[in-house]
Amino acid sequence: KQEVTQIPAALSVPEGENLVLNCSFTDSAIYNLQWFRQDPGKGLTSLLLIQSSQREQTSGRLNASLDKSSGRSTLYIAASQPGDSATYLCAVFDTNAGKSTFGDGTTLTVKP
Amino acid sequence: DAGVTQSPTHLIKTRGQQVTLRCSPKSGHDTVSWYQQALGQGPQFIFQYYEEEERQRGNFPDRFSGHQFPNYSSELNVNALLLGDSALYLCASSPRIQSGTFGSGTRLTVV
Repeated sequence: KQEVTQIPAALSVPEGENLVLNCSFTDSAIYNLQWFRQDPGKGLTSLLLIQSSQREQTSGRLNASLDKSSGRSTLYIAASQPGDSATYLCAVFDTNAGKSTFGDGTTLTVKP
Repeated sequence: DAGVTQSPTHLIKTRGQQVTLRCSPKSGHDTVSWYQQALGQGPQFIFQYYEEEERQRGNFPDRFSGHQFPNYSSELNVNALLLGDSALYLCASSPRIQSGTFGSGTRLTVV
């Protein structure tokens, strides 16, 4: 059974700081890994999707890496801004199970 | 091009009642999956529909049932609502079985 863990559960940083969010998964037989952003009371916004054959993806100030062999992914946010404050979720997709398994998220607060 | 559309956006029901949530997939997508997200937790997989049949199911009781229509839209039905069913219900659609595009969700409150 796939399990996804995100550490830390919460993070508070001053504006402008670079930060790393961590995601680990127990079964390396994944199809892809996706990072989402969720604002309070809202749905999921997809940030980055990394296919199992890829090592990283970048979008603007965001960079996500994937190490399947160790069951780890990181989301790097450069020059954080107050608008980055949200909960960040990672999810791994298993083709055999036909579903995504999510972590419980890291809640990020960026202070002005 | 419309993405995944869910309705209603918010819903309040009384314990013991039944509820139906609806999902219209993104154009070109034929597979719909449903997830439940309780407060402070990540989404949990409920089930998946493809070709009008339930293909995969998570660890949810039979009170949770669904349907997929010929136009690929889907419904999630929950019977005998419990307070613990209060959550954000997310629908994801995809072309065949792969990670999907998520809708904005339906917020269900059971009182």
